[in-house]
Amino acid sequence: EAGVAQSPRYKIIEKRQSVAFWCNPISGHATLYWYQQILGQGPKLLIQFQNNGVVDDSQLPKDRFSAERLKGVDSTLKIQPAKLEDSAVYLCASSWDRSDTEAFFGQGTRLTVV
Amino acid sequence: TQLLEQSPQFLSIQEGENLTVYCNSSSVFSSLQWYRQEPGEGPVLLVTVVTGGEVKKLKRLTFQFGDARKDSSLHITAAQPGDTGLYLCAGAIRNAGNMLTFGGGTRLMVKP
Repeated sequence: EAGVAQSPRYKIIEKRQSVAFWCNPISGHATLYWYQQILGQGPKLLIQFQNNGVVDDSQLPKDRFSAERLKGVDSTLKIQPAKLEDSAVYLCASSWDRSDTEAFFGQGTRLTVV
Repeated sequence: TQLLEQSPQFLSIQEGENLTVYCNSSSVFSSLQWYRQEPGEGPVLLVTVVTGGEVKKLKRLTFQFGDARKDSSLHITAAQPGDTGLYLCAGAIRNAGNMLTFGGGTRLMVKP
């Protein structure tokens, strides 16, 4: 079974530029999560989707971050404009549905904002 | 302030020693999970505990869920260098959409 796929693996951008990350969850998984993991810390949930609907985005900085999962499968997370403090690993995870808390993670995208 | 507090934050031990990592909260969780994360990789699920007082064993790893489902511990017996990594606990609260909230992690280094 293929795991959660994320791209790119690494991205370096200048502050005020925009960037987008892509995630393809495990086939059949209805729930998709985006987490931000700053170096030395645990992952922080940014947004949770159930199919193509948003379950929770209370910790997403909506003035600069946006995410979509239009067809209920793959998802994109965008940052515009990026700030230095956005430097982190962005992790995508998926699970069968909201009642299943066993999440499977991708390798993440390491973003460096300079 | 994090919902889940892990301790210690860092642990450096010699091969063969035992260790315990703690995960504490004031919230009650419907389930709690432990993950291990290696550099450059995403977290990998080790175990899920759902019943208060539950104990699960995975080879040299023993996981315990507190009776009140507010805390958990991970005990490693005879640690090996391959156990080195970041250990994360994550809790889910059913009436909060089962969102997974992570602790800050315990970074373990096992020296040969």
